[in-house]
Amino acid sequence: NAGVTQTPKFRILKIGQSMTLQCTQDMNHNYMYWYRQDPGMGLKLIYYSVGAGITDKGEVPNGYNVSRSTTEDFPLRLELAAPSQTSVYFCASSTNDRDNEQFFGPGTRLTVL
Amino acid sequence: GESVGLHLPTLSVQEGDNSIINCAYSNSASDYFIWYKQESGKGPQFIIDIRSNMDKRQGQRVTVLLNKTVKHLSLQIAATQPGDSAVYFCADLYGNKLVFGAGTILRVKS
Repeated sequence: NAGVTQTPKFRILKIGQSMTLQCTQDMNHNYMYWYRQDPGMGLKLIYYSVGAGITDKGEVPNGYNVSRSTTEDFPLRLELAAPSQTSVYFCASSTNDRDNEQFFGPGTRLTVL
Repeated sequence: GESVGLHLPTLSVQEGDNSIINCAYSNSASDYFIWYKQESGKGPQFIIDIRSNMDKRQGQRVTVLLNKTVKHLSLQIAATQPGDSAVYFCADLYGNKLVFGAGTILRVKS
């Protein structure tokens, strides 16, 4: 199993540009999550999904959108990039149960200039 | 509100000594806690978890202690090794969402 994979690893955007961060997991996990991590800080939940076709807002959803058309994929969309969205983005997945370990991807480092 | 925070931002220990990393949480309804380790440039990695019906859980070289009375969580690492150098996060499961603390940097001196 590859686990949780994320692409791209790095990206630089100009203000106002849009992009999609890709996340795929091959563990057949129903739960998937997107976090952002600012320098020297913990992770903040952006969006999460408890299954295909279901998404919910986390702590910091503004400026982002997600979709979950398949169990495996959970892309994160930035429509109008802003400098405040400069961060490292982590995708994670977990099994069906509520209190289970989350498996994290390697992260995408995004800079908005 | 629900928030999880750490007392010490940086902890330096001598190789071979035991490390203790502390965490305070504010949501008294929290019933599940996890410790994660994050090495530089990588995603968080699960270390150990504990449910609120327990006050202690042991893993390989790690022990998590939970004190629900004062809403405090700690991670103990025995015989700390250079490979333990990382940022450690506690997280509290609130509904379906993990709430992470700011993290503690553990530096191991050889």
